[in-house]
Amino acid sequence: GENVEQHPSTLSVQEGDSAVIKCTYSDSASNYFPWYKQELGKRPQLIIDIRSNVGEKKDQRIAVTLNKTAKHFSLHITETQPEDSAVYFCAASRGNYGQNFVFGPGTRLSVLP
Amino acid sequence: DTAVSQTPKYLVTQMGNDKSIKCEQNLGHDTMYWYKQDSKKFLKIMFSYNNKELIINETVPNRFSPKSPDKAHLNLHINSLELGDSAVYFCASSQAAGGPGPQHFGDGTRLSIL
Repeated sequence: GENVEQHPSTLSVQEGDSAVIKCTYSDSASNYFPWYKQELGKRPQLIIDIRSNVGEKKDQRIAVTLNKTAKHFSLHITETQPEDSAVYFCAASRGNYGQNFVFGPGTRLSVLP
Repeated sequence: DTAVSQTPKYLVTQMGNDKSIKCEQNLGHDTMYWYKQDSKKFLKIMFSYNNKELIINETVPNRFSPKSPDKAHLNLHINSLELGDSAVYFCASSQAAGGPGPQHFGDGTRLSIL
């Protein structure tokens, strides 16, 4: 089955700096890669996603890049703000009904003022 | 209006009891899920239902029994609760047609076993 690794497990950056979180996956048939943000005590919320036919996607300060050959994808947050502090999860999926929808273990991002 | 709502938000109970968590989505999605998030924050899928049909049943003890009366509802019943069941349980939904897509999560049910 699919295995998703995520690094780093914790990340501290100064406000205004960029943050990068990387994930690798094992199943070459995976074709959908979402990123979720989970604030303390809240539900995971989708912040950006990418499909395997696209190499990069950007939404304001957030971007995701995908390298299918190397089977890894990354989340880039620019101009970080204190409200970006949260746990970020990557995931990989290839099934319609959640089959092989596997989350990474999460990265705790702290943005220091 | 909350898109995916689950009740109760908190559940504190004794070991050995039976409890249920309810979930409803008003997004018109055809697929619903239950996830377990443990103390280390790992999110693991437990069950997936598409149009009331069970699609995924991960390695979950048979004390956990999901029920989907219609595609907008997915409930979770847990028998003989154990200490290790303490976790946050999230319900989620997605539209499966056309391939995998974003899952929308409920606010979670924090289950604490005494």
